[in-house]
Amino acid sequence: EPEVTQTPSHQVTQMGQEVILRCVPISNHLYFYWYRQILGQKVEFLVSFYNNEISEKSEIFDDQFSVERPDGSNFTLKIRSTKLEDSAMYFCAARGGMGNQPQHFGDGTRLSIL
Amino acid sequence: KNQVEQSPQSLIILEGKNCTLQCNYTVSPFSNLRWYKQDTGRGPVSLTIMTFSENTKSNGRYTATLDADTKQSSLHITASQLSDSASYICVAHYGNNRLAFGKGNQVVVIP
Repeated sequence: EPEVTQTPSHQVTQMGQEVILRCVPISNHLYFYWYRQILGQKVEFLVSFYNNEISEKSEIFDDQFSVERPDGSNFTLKIRSTKLEDSAMYFCAARGGMGNQPQHFGDGTRLSIL
Repeated sequence: KNQVEQSPQSLIILEGKNCTLQCNYTVSPFSNLRWYKQDTGRGPVSLTIMTFSENTKSNGRYTATLDADTKQSSLHITASQLSDSASYICVAHYGNNRLAFGKGNQVVVIP
């Protein structure tokens, strides 16, 4: 079964630096999502993306965050000026256009801010 | 507030035994409910989906139930295997494909 691929699997970054997390969704999927999971806590919604623009975002997704799909395949999450509390697993998900299609998750990027 | 609560937080079961995981949700407007399995170091994988009108759904040894009146769901694992060791996450879909995640039931199957 086609997979959602995320890179890198683990990113270690100094506080204040910028990071870009990358995702390659399944090719025929139309809706894209980013989630994060702080260690020991629930998965939290960050942002949804459709038709090359943000369709919805949570209160977590502030000006520090941005998403884009620069080349029609990669879907990226950029975090500017990282903070210690940004340390978490970041999951990308994608789904097709039909209403009850499941979101397919990547295996995540573990982001560690030092 | 749209949220999902799961119990027990964790459990240990012997290989071959059955177990049942519980989920309570409060979301509006409710769309459907999924159970996901998350292996350590992996992303969540969908096991079952249940809409408002469905009471039970099976996927191999996994059987999910849904009571839309009490807003409760359960996931029953039959004849557990070592590979069933994982976190099982209850996810309520609501609104425009928004998801509310539970914290997960951590299951450890021992030989």
